[in-house]
Amino acid sequence: SQQGEEDPQALSIQEGENATMNCSYKTSINNLQWYRQNSGRGLVHLILIRSNEREKHSGRLRVTLDTSKKSSSLLITASRAADTASYFCATAPSGDQNFVFGPGTRLSVLP
Amino acid sequence: DAGVIQSPRHEVTEMGQEVTLRCKPISGHDYLFWYRQTMMRGLELLIYFNNNVPIDDSGMPEDRFSAKMPNASFSTLKIQPSEPRDSAVYFCASTFDRVRRYYGYTFGSGTRLTVV
Repeated sequence: SQQGEEDPQALSIQEGENATMNCSYKTSINNLQWYRQNSGRGLVHLILIRSNEREKHSGRLRVTLDTSKKSSSLLITASRAADTASYFCATAPSGDQNFVFGPGTRLSVLP
Repeated sequence: DAGVIQSPRHEVTEMGQEVTLRCKPISGHDYLFWYRQTMMRGLELLIYFNNNVPIDDSGMPEDRFSAKMPNASFSTLKIQPSEPRDSAVYFCASTFDRVRRYYGYTFGSGTRLTVV
């Protein structure tokens, strides 16, 4: 299966701390995507990192990709209560468009 | 653009009834996906279309499920007959590819289906 697997399953931190989530996958990819889902809502695309990129930033988000280890990490710096959500990584086999989502990491940011 | 629009937002139906979920993708997007989300199984890809043509329906659980995309601006997912185990949140998503330019998916708000 191509499905990515996020780690940890759940994470609870204090506001202002950094949160790091990891994703591992199994086969070669063209790119990896991270999404956020607030409770009761649809998923929102956060960032896409291509297989020839090692790091990408977007605001307080930093994503890394290590294709040799087939893993990615999402770092949220200076977390806020509004960052409380589930975070998913999505991958598809190289050349495909059918992205499959992992089980997600549930992040709780306590005020 | 108003984003991906799904209807209805909530659907409660009795076992055995037919259920039709609707989706309007973002104009210009050439891929459309149907996902199902449950606590037990997470997000499952059911079927996806490219330029209105179904590409992979291997995720459709059984023959009770069918999906159509009669034109670029509309898709339906039908369950007939519905069963309690079909209760889930069903998401539609779309993206622009035009031959492997990868962008993120835009998801709709989902349809929460409850079959009693």
